[in-house]
Amino acid sequence: GENVEQHPSTLSVQEGDSAVIKCTYSDSASNYFPWYKQELGKGPQLIIDIRSNVGEKKDQRIAVTLNKTAKHFSLHITETQPEDSAVYFCAATPFRRAGGTSYGKLTFGQGTILTVHP
Amino acid sequence: KAGVTQTPRYLIKTRGQQVTLSCSPISGHRSVSWYQQTPGQGLQFLFEYFSETQRNKGNFPGRFSGRQFSNSRSEMNVSTLELGDSALYLCASSFLGDEQFFGPGTRLTVL
Repeated sequence: GENVEQHPSTLSVQEGDSAVIKCTYSDSASNYFPWYKQELGKGPQLIIDIRSNVGEKKDQRIAVTLNKTAKHFSLHITETQPEDSAVYFCAATPFRRAGGTSYGKLTFGQGTILTVHP
Repeated sequence: KAGVTQTPRYLIKTRGQQVTLSCSPISGHRSVSWYQQTPGQGLQFLFEYFSETQRNKGNFPGRFSGRQFSNSRSEMNVSTLELGDSALYLCASSFLGDEQFFGPGTRLTVL
């Protein structure tokens, strides 16, 4: 099955700096790579995702890059703010299509605790 | 649009008991997945239901089961609870099965 490794486990930055979190996956059939942000006492929140037919995707201060050859993908947060402090999870899955829908199970990385200091 | 709701939010049970957790997906979503989150094992997939059918199952013992109703609401059941079942149980709903939106979770403590 799929295995996802996430680094670093903790990341501390100053407000305004950039933060980068990296993940590697094992299953070359994986085609969907979401990133989640989890704040204390809450469920994971989908912040951005990328599919295997795209190399990069941006949404304001957040970007994700995918290198299918090397089987790794990264989350980039620019101009970090204290409210970006949370646990971030990457995930990967080889979603399969059936009847117009996708099915599969997300395999998550172990998470990165991001702390942004004011 | 309302998000995913899970009830109850907190639950305390003793070993050997059974528990049922409930999840109401986002309106219009037919796929519901369940995950277990623990500090040691992280987020692990339990099972996924789509239109009342289980489409996928993770590597959990048969004590963990689930079902989905015609209105897409889902329940998961854990029988014969063990101490190691203490965890945050998360439900995620999806329209097509890929983009998954999580609820706040049910915190289960087994004493």
